[in-house]
Amino acid sequence: GQQLNQSPQSMFIQEGEDVSMNCTSSSIFNTWLWYKQDPGEGPVLLIALYKAGELTSNGRLTAQFGITRKDSFLNISASIPSDVGIYFCAGHRYNNNDMRFGAGTRLTVKP
Amino acid sequence: DGGITQSPKYLFRKEGQNVTLSCEQNLNHDAMYWYRQDPGQGLRLIYYSQIVNDFQKGDIAEGYSVSREKKESFPLTVTSAQKNPTAFYLCASKPDLAKNIQYFGAGTRLSVL
Repeated sequence: GQQLNQSPQSMFIQEGEDVSMNCTSSSIFNTWLWYKQDPGEGPVLLIALYKAGELTSNGRLTAQFGITRKDSFLNISASIPSDVGIYFCAGHRYNNNDMRFGAGTRLTVKP
Repeated sequence: DGGITQSPKYLFRKEGQNVTLSCEQNLNHDAMYWYRQDPGQGLRLIYYSQIVNDFQKGDIAEGYSVSREKKESFPLTVTSAQKNPTAFYLCASKPDLAKNIQYFGAGTRLSVL
């Protein structure tokens, strides 16, 4: 099955900078999720989006469900060293029993 | 504590050997999933199960087998037919079919000796 197109693959930023990453697909999704994964651990859910156009925040994180239902983005404001990790998007299609995942964005934050 | 427990954390397989990865959840979730994670790739679905005694193949089921005899348990066997088993394996569960959120265990890293 086709996975999602996530970009950028990696980012190197200074502490305090804002970060933006996105996911796109040729298919329509009814749910978009954003996860963070630390090395050697399982992904942890950050934000879940259920409606086109929905904008949801979780602390310094903000994510949006694209109007076309084919994309989503995640912003992190005022990054800190503990933001380091791999961020994954995931999409769930209507009447489908599985999720599709992006390849991840590896974030490095320099103090 | 409630959660999804995967064991072991690290596993080594000899050539020709079958190995079984454990996944247990005490969240009373209906659906459970197994994914394979390789560097630079998104998670790929191996098998999933929506109810006890029923499971479906995912995108890369060849060389793997599963069972779902109890709601809380969904073990994955990596058989000798899987020629490239080295990967990080993640188990996930979902509360109900209507809510499309999956929660993950901490993973098992499988390596070939």
